[in-house]
Amino acid sequence: SAVISQKPSRDICQRGTSLTIQCQVDSQVTMMFWYRQQPGQSLTLIATANQGSEATYESGFVIDKFPISRPNLTFSTLTVSNMSPEDSSIYLCSVDGTNYGYTFGSGTRLTVV
Amino acid sequence: KQEVTQIPAALSVPEGENLVLNCSFTDSAIYNLQWFRQDPGKGLTSLLLIQSSQREQTSGRLNASLDKSSGRSTLYIAASQPGDSATYLCAVSLSGDYKLSFGAGTTVTVRA
Repeated sequence: SAVISQKPSRDICQRGTSLTIQCQVDSQVTMMFWYRQQPGQSLTLIATANQGSEATYESGFVIDKFPISRPNLTFSTLTVSNMSPEDSSIYLCSVDGTNYGYTFGSGTRLTVV
Repeated sequence: KQEVTQIPAALSVPEGENLVLNCSFTDSAIYNLQWFRQDPGKGLTSLLLIQSSQREQTSGRLNASLDKSSGRSTLYIAASQPGDSATYLCAVSLSGDYKLSFGAGTTVTVRA
């Protein structure tokens, strides 16, 4: 199955600033997924990132707040823009390994103060 | 819309006891079901993947069963150890849909 390297592992940010999270996969994948996990909650899909096209956002998530880049088949970034304390969450990227199921990155624990 | 429920929400057992974690889902047209482990503040580690055509999967002390018709899966962990303390998440994907639907998880504490 794929191995995902996600950075940073954690960060504490000031409100109003932006943070970019990176995910690098050790193999080429068509789709990459970005999730948010708010404190005490389960995972919610933010968007699906395909190489060469705009990301597809789920209901309640918008590109201005969570811009995503997918420059090639092994890399993607998620930016959390104009942050507020409500954005404090764990953010995770994921890929579908088909016969191996989904693989997740190690997560980015974001605290906004 | 697929709804995934995990019961119980939390479980505390003494070391050595067997663990039984339950997952139920509302739409039986699943493509596969996957069990994950999550340590506090960390990412997800895949434990077992069950394809829709399978009834169970085993890996070491872990065994997961799947009953599509009743919309249920059970994760068994034999002879629990303190290192098994974590949150266990169940996730399902539907046929023809790449999205995963997650349960809220069961938080397990194994007391030494």
